Amino acid sequence: SAVISQKPSRDICQRGTSLTIQCQVDSQVTMMFWYRQQPGQSLTLIATANQGSEATYESGFVIDKFPISRPNLTFSTLTVSNMSPEDSSIYLCSVAPAVGYEQYFGPGTRLTVT
Amino acid sequence: KQEVTQIPAALSVPEGENLVLNCSFTDSAIYNLQWFRQDPGKGLTSLLLIQSSQREQTSGRLNASLDKSSGRSTLYIAASQPGDSATYLCAANFGNEKLTFGTGTRLTIIP
Repeated sequence: SAVISQKPSRDICQRGTSLTIQCQVDSQVTMMFWYRQQPGQSLTLIATANQGSEATYESGFVIDKFPISRPNLTFSTLTVSNMSPEDSSIYLCSVAPAVGYEQYFGPGTRLTVT
Repeated sequence: KQEVTQIPAALSVPEGENLVLNCSFTDSAIYNLQWFRQDPGKGLTSLLLIQSSQREQTSGRLNASLDKSSGRSTLYIAASQPGDSATYLCAANFGNEKLTFGTGTRLTIIP
């Protein structure tokens, strides 16, 4: 299993600002993912962040809005840029220790944009 | 388009009863399927992972089944307890370890 922490756990931000969310894993993992969970909705994949390559974004998500860094095998950041109230969501990172293995999720970052 | 559906959206069951949660997916070329629970305001806790080559997977009072041909998975909870109250999410891995999530079933166990 993997233990994942996220910082911050929650934040309230003003429209037009940016927030960087950190994801730390207690072991080295190749595959890391960022998801968004809008209020009352299920999870939607934002991007895949594998170490050593550029993040791969899903349809509807762009790098300018959600830049991602993956400097090593235990850490990643997601930035939510130029925020609007529609960005109010829970943002979760997850890791896949290996192909076909159980995936683990962080506790999430609850973002409110006013 | 690969989609995952969970019906019903909400379910209330008296304590002690056995229950089944349903999950449907549109693509039979599934690698594996994972069941999670989510408590209000919290992250996801993994419950069971069932591989495409498996038909069942068990952990304690939980049993998950997978039928690729019909595009269905079920999560069976035996002898339900109030602590089982949560939202249950199924997620299908159609490749590259990217999970496609269902809409969830909010389960309430009535004491």
